[in-house]
Amino acid sequence: EIVLTQSPGTLSLSPGETATLSCRASQTNNYLAWYQQKPGQAPRLLIYGASRRASGIPDRFSGSGSGTDFTLTISRLEPEDFAVYYCQQYARTPYTFGQGTKLEIK
Amino acid sequence: QVTLRESGPALVKPTQTLTLTCTFSGFSFDTAGMCVGWIRQPPGKALEWLARIDWDDDKYYTTSLKSRLAISRDISKNQVVLSLTDVDPVDTATYFCARIRATTGNYFDHWGQGIMVTVSS
Repeated sequence: EIVLTQSPGTLSLSPGETATLSCRASQTNNYLAWYQQKPGQAPRLLIYGASRRASGIPDRFSGSGSGTDFTLTISRLEPEDFAVYYCQQYARTPYTFGQGTKLEIK
Repeated sequence: QVTLRESGPALVKPTQTLTLTCTFSGFSFDTAGMCVGWIRQPPGKALEWLARIDWDDDKYYTTSLKSRLAISRDISKNQVVLSLTDVDPVDTATYFCARIRATTGNYFDHWGQGIMVTVSS
């Protein structure tokens, strides 16, 4: 099973700043997705294939990385961006998620 | 427009079997590559993938729950059913169903709103 470790656990930033979220995999793979989840809502797909934005996702969201280290960068933070973010590997079953990074308003 | 909606009981007693239904629209198992998966999330915790069923009826399960899970589909009704036997309070969670388009990648591109299930006597 591929274990995903996200850091930091919580990130406190102000609107307008840039958020950098990390996801480290226990095994090499390039099949990584990022999701945003707001309280009481289902996750929303942001990024797939490590760096491809899903349909309708603003270009403020960008993904990068390969192998075992991946990054989600959110530029020019908007109030609606404050949420929990999860990475997920889909290289092989069992599909696994990271434990999440909470992005909160400072 | 792709939509998915979970339905089932909100409360289940320990040792009983939990049965959840995912009813979807906007896609079909007649299309190669279409799959539906189930994911759960205990209160305040992370997401956990449970199972997946494919357009060709292939099925996949998470290792730790494989002996307790069963996934099936009703093509005529555009439904996927997940059963979890011998439930325990630790199975209390919000259960989501989500679509996978295997032809583009095994990520979840559309999600249902989720259903909160509590296991308690």
